[in-house]
Amino acid sequence: DTEVTQTPKHLVMGMTNKKSLKCEQHMGHRAMYWYKQKAKKPPELMFVYSYEKLSINESVPSRFSPECPNSSLLNLHLHALQPEDSALYLCASSPGLAETFTYEQYFGPGTRLTVT
Amino acid sequence: GQQVMQIPQYQHVQEGEDFTTYCNSSTTLSNIQWYKQRPGGHPVFLIQLVKSGEVKKQKRLTFQFGEAKKNSSLHITATQTTDVGTYFCAGHGSSNTGKLIFGQGTTLQVKP
Repeated sequence: DTEVTQTPKHLVMGMTNKKSLKCEQHMGHRAMYWYKQKAKKPPELMFVYSYEKLSINESVPSRFSPECPNSSLLNLHLHALQPEDSALYLCASSPGLAETFTYEQYFGPGTRLTVT
Repeated sequence: GQQVMQIPQYQHVQEGEDFTTYCNSSTTLSNIQWYKQRPGGHPVFLIQLVKSGEVKKQKRLTFQFGEAKKNSSLHITATQTTDVGTYFCAGHGSSNTGKLIFGQGTTLQVKP
């Protein structure tokens, strides 16, 4: 199984709402990622988890809160978002992390988020 | 900071023509990866290059990693409509374990 799944596929939320994005992989990968992608732009890294511990936070605003309950699951909790946060949110996983090497990443289909 | 530049931004070709996209990094890369994102889709891993001067082929796709490990290219021979999409190169971020530095991508359109 080389699939990363994400739910929901689409999400519309108001600026005062609280919602969560979910990601799951069953490839035994030890690293998981959250990316944000705007139209016609490359994915922009937000968070990296390695062995269920937060490894990288790319100075993401606190209205985005990641959580890794176990090695297969990754959540992104959203609260008090702004309209400019509307984007495609991609989850990815890789076999692991290394100091001087980057493993291939497997991306999920993404959640298209609209903040109204 | 570390940057990966990718050109061209867009390319329109007639089906059957060849296509090439180029990546250049401001620093030496330990490895470079290529991803393809179809319209409305998500990035899909194509290949990884690790060695200086490495060349790898996947059917009509040829990937190269420069001798200095600072540039890379993807060449598609005889494009087909199924090749449509955005191609991203991505290199290892030297200061951050696990961080991929993506190029801006090249969007390929193929006219049948």
